[in-house]
Amino acid sequence: GEDVEQSLFLSVREGDSSVINCTYTDSSSTYLYWYKQEPGAGLQLLTYIFSNMDMKQDQRLTVLLNKKDKHLSLRIADTQTGDSAIYFCAENQNFGNEKLTFGTGTRLTIIP
Amino acid sequence: ETGVTQSPTHLIKTRGQQVTLRCSSQSGHNTVSWYQQALGQGPQFIFQYYREEENGRGNFPPRFSGLQFPNYSSELNVNALELDDSALYLCASSSGLVGETQYFGPGTRLLVL
Repeated sequence: GEDVEQSLFLSVREGDSSVINCTYTDSSSTYLYWYKQEPGAGLQLLTYIFSNMDMKQDQRLTVLLNKKDKHLSLRIADTQTGDSAIYFCAENQNFGNEKLTFGTGTRLTIIP
Repeated sequence: ETGVTQSPTHLIKTRGQQVTLRCSSQSGHNTVSWYQQALGQGPQFIFQYYREEENGRGNFPPRFSGLQFPNYSSELNVNALELDDSALYLCASSSGLVGETQYFGPGTRLLVL
């Protein structure tokens, strides 16, 4: 079945880089996404990567995809206090069907 | 700001009652999906509507039902509420094009007592 796993917590000092990891089981995943959820808010799409790509960079965000190991990571450079949130990775199961399967989320805490 | 709105923002109900949650999608978005996010969990897919027809359903019982209207609004109805239905309910809209991303609303937080 479909499964997406993440570690639950990550603490990083302000100014350092944060790396949030995710593993998934479905090898037919077409798109992989990173969403951010701040307290009491909905989900904000940060970035996504197509499965035939290895890397995507967008300002402070870098997404790495290892399709062989079904491992996805999100690196946030120069982490700021405003980056404190829960980060979810998600995947699309079927081409053309936009149902998303989410991980349990990683809570990122910034240490001053 | 995603252009997707939901109402109400918060709601308290008691077991056995029925609830209707509403979502207003971005103009031109003919696909809407609903997700349930229990406390401390990731969102779980409930169902999706495309052009007013159900287009896929997750592992949720039939007491979860939906409607989609031509004016880009939609509803999630839950009958016979149970305590475990307490969660944040998120709707997400998209254009329906292959590979197009979904845009989430802020959610409705439902508490069932």
